[in-house]
Amino acid sequence: DGGITQSPKYLFRKEGQNVTLSCEQNLNHDAMYWYRQDPGQGLRLIYYSQIVNDFQKGDIAEGYSVSREKKESFPLTVTSAQKNPTAFYLCATRTDPRYGYTFGSGTRLTVV
Amino acid sequence: DQQVKQNSPSLSVQEGRISILNCDYTNSMFDYFLWYKKYPAEGPTFLISISSIKDKNEDGRFTVFLNKSAKHLSLHIVPSQPGDSAVYFCAAPLNRDDKIIFGKGTRLHILP
Repeated sequence: DGGITQSPKYLFRKEGQNVTLSCEQNLNHDAMYWYRQDPGQGLRLIYYSQIVNDFQKGDIAEGYSVSREKKESFPLTVTSAQKNPTAFYLCATRTDPRYGYTFGSGTRLTVV
Repeated sequence: DQQVKQNSPSLSVQEGRISILNCDYTNSMFDYFLWYKKYPAEGPTFLISISSIKDKNEDGRFTVFLNKSAKHLSLHIVPSQPGDSAVYFCAAPLNRDDKIIFGKGTRLHILP
């Protein structure tokens, strides 16, 4: 069954620690994206990658890092430099322009 | 600069009546407009799209209208059902191979 898998669903992190969110896809899509959702803020783009070994900063990249070593995987690291990391994180791949993205089910990160 | 705007954070509609969600945009170069539906703690799912060369697209209970001169689109849901209670995002691809710009979303409450 094709899709996007984000893990874990819920993640707790202590302040000052880095944490990596996983995103795996078996849709064979080239482009992958990371968004962050906060209440009242909509979806804000963190990073995106259109091909393996290449990625670009989105609108709110500060405090985050990514890698794209394989087509199927696009992990996001939330570093200790991210001032407000508590949020819902969404990974997506790009399909036909008429349909936009396919999203994963998200990871809720809470800093304690 | 917000290129896609949803000015109503929330909307309440009686079950069985029509729900109308509005979206304004500033970039006249958008080729497509997309609507996504999102339940809490889940990823958004694609709902319906419209090409910039059309003024209407219909899919079952969902119809999207596009007024290019006013740079305005709207999503109509008729009749509204309890399962329609969700956050709805208006979005537009910046170009064919690039990122998608999202509005901040409108939370729709369907009242019994």
